[in-house]
Parts: sequence; structure tokens; C-alpha cells
Amino acid sequence: SQQGEEDPQALSIQEGENATMNCSYKTSINNLQWYRQNSGRGLVHLILIRSNEREKHSGRLRVTLDTSKKSSSLLITASRAADTASYFCATDAGYGGATNKLIFGTGTLLAVQP
Amino acid sequence: GAVVSQHPSRVICKSGTSVKIECRSLDFQATTMFWYRQFPKKSLMLMATSNEGSKATYEQGVEKDKFLINHASLTLSTLTVTSAHPEDSSFYICSARYLQDQPQHFGDGTRLSIL
Repeated sequence: SQQGEEDPQALSIQEGENATMNCSYKTSINNLQWYRQNSGRGLVHLILIRSNEREKHSGRLRVTLDTSKKSSSLLITASRAADTASYFCATDAGYGGATNKLIFGTGTLLAVQP
Repeated sequence: GAVVSQHPSRVICKSGTSVKIECRSLDFQATTMFWYRQFPKKSLMLMATSNEGSKATYEQGVEKDKFLINHASLTLSTLTVTSAHPEDSSFYICSARYLQDQPQHFGDGTRLSIL
């Protein structure tokens, strides 16, 4: 299976704490993306990191990428109850052409307790 | 930000019915649209990729005649689940992208329940 894996599968923290989620994948990639999904809704794009980048920030989000280990991490600092959601990593293998597709990881369910 | 509208949000119908789901990009031209299926507490599984004006590319194991995809314009793609059966019940999500190597923008999904 090409699908990546994320750990932990579920994470419960208190408001104000930091949350770290990890993603491992199997193939070479063009970029890696993180998405968030609230229960029963579509996905919201959070951040895209390219294969030649090692770290990227966006607000309270920090993403790292280690292509030698085929892994990425998403850090959410100073978490809020509103951050409660499922978080997915997705890899774009960049096969070329208009049909580049994303392979989604298994997801981490984050619960932030108020 | 980019907005993708998916309609309907929920469908409940009898076995044997065909169901059409629409996916529209509201403020950008979607050269590529994707259709996913998601089971409860699971990840997204790509069903097919569609490019405007051409036939969709289906993933292995997805029946082309069962899941008809049309991408007639740069802002609209449709997925028709033909002769739906209870095992087709699932959460279907579309996404749209303007250029390769850019993020996908997702609709809010359609929960399909076949009785």
C-alpha cells in the first residue's frame, strides 16, 4: 500500500499545550501537505512543504520534513479547543502531468480539552 | 480563499436508485478535480481523477460503470453512483485544483445512505 501512516492515531491534550503529529510515507515525493478535517466535513488545507524544504511555519503551525527518513511532523503550539479535529498528511509523488494525485495518511484524531 | 461547493450534503435513497453529486469550484478554474470516498474513522481513498474535457482516470478497483464521472467545464464535475446499493453507502468528497503542485481545495462532502 502506498498509504502513509500517522502517529499517534489519537491524541488528547489540554488547552494551551502543544500537539505533535508524525507522518511517515513510502515513496519519493514532490511535496507533502497537511490537512485538517472537522467531523463530517471536508478537508481544509493547512500547509504545503516541498521536498527541498526542511521546515515551514504558518501561524501556530510548524511542519518539518525529513526526506531521508521519509517522515514529517506537524506541531500545533498553544492549542485551543477549536483545534479539535482529524489531521491528515498527504504526499504528492509528482509523477508529472496534470494528474498528480495525493496519497493520504491514516490520520490523527486530536482532542483538545478546554 | 478558494471555495469548492459540493451538493447535496446528504442523500438517503432506496437501493437501485442512481445518485448524482455535483462539485463546483466557485472562484477559480479547476483544471483537475478529484473524487474520494471515506469510511467512518478512516482516511480518504482516491476514486478517480478528472481533467476538464477528458475522461476520468480511475484508481484500481473502482468500477467505471458504477461511478460515472463527468468534468464538462472548468468549474463543474459530477459523480453519479449508478444503481446504488447499501454497500455504496459512504462519505464522498470532491476536491479541485488549479495547477499541479498546488493544494487541493475540498468540498464539504456528501453523505450517501442507501436503504
